[in-house]
Amino acid sequence: DFQMTQSPSSLSASVGDRVTITCQASQDITNYLNWYQQKPGKAPKLLIYDASILETGVPSRFSGSGSGTDFTFTISSLQPEDIATYYCQQYDNPLFTFGPGTKVDIK
Amino acid sequence: QVQLQESGPGLVKPSQTLSLTCTVSGGSISSGGYYWSWIRQHPGKGLEWIGYIYYSGSTYYNPSLKSRVTISVDTSKNQFSLKLRSVTAADTAVYYCASVAPRGYSYPFDYWGQGTLVTVSS
Repeated sequence: DFQMTQSPSSLSASVGDRVTITCQASQDITNYLNWYQQKPGKAPKLLIYDASILETGVPSRFSGSGSGTDFTFTISSLQPEDIATYYCQQYDNPLFTFGPGTKVDIK
Repeated sequence: QVQLQESGPGLVKPSQTLSLTCTVSGGSISSGGYYWSWIRQHPGKGLEWIGYIYYSGSTYYNPSLKSRVTISVDTSKNQFSLKLRSVTAADTAVYYCASVAPRGYSYPFDYWGQGTLVTVSS
């Protein structure tokens, strides 16, 4: 079975901090990796696709990197409005799998 | 701007069939390259992809749900639908419809409905 893992499962950081989340795939997915932000009671929102391409309109403090099995999502300077759960998601034609999520809040 | 809206019963009895419809506005469901998908989220949990359909009618389902799921499309109404048979309490979740963008290599879910909570209970 294909698996996605994310770490940490949750984190607390101060406004202005650099925040990093990692996502690991159980097999090579090249760069077929996307990142989403989900705020409470809302649908997820696409932030990054193809591991590192910023979706139109998404602030530049968000970034992604990686390829193969190991990926990183970074918020360069955490803002109060970034409080949310972040999910990675892979595409392994024809299947889609989400990571378990990382909950980010303000310290 | 594409918008998606789920509709359907919020309460389904155990063993019955859950039926939801997603109406697409601001764009054609027959738009080249787009797939149309259902995703669910159990209360307080993560996201689970259910399946997708192309406007031509071709489908693919999550193997874990494949035996109970049917996704169909009605291009004349710009809608696609989900049927999940033989539901149990474990199928209680928020159900989202989403578009799968023919963008890059990773086919991201770029537009989402607001989600609808379906509770399975007698």
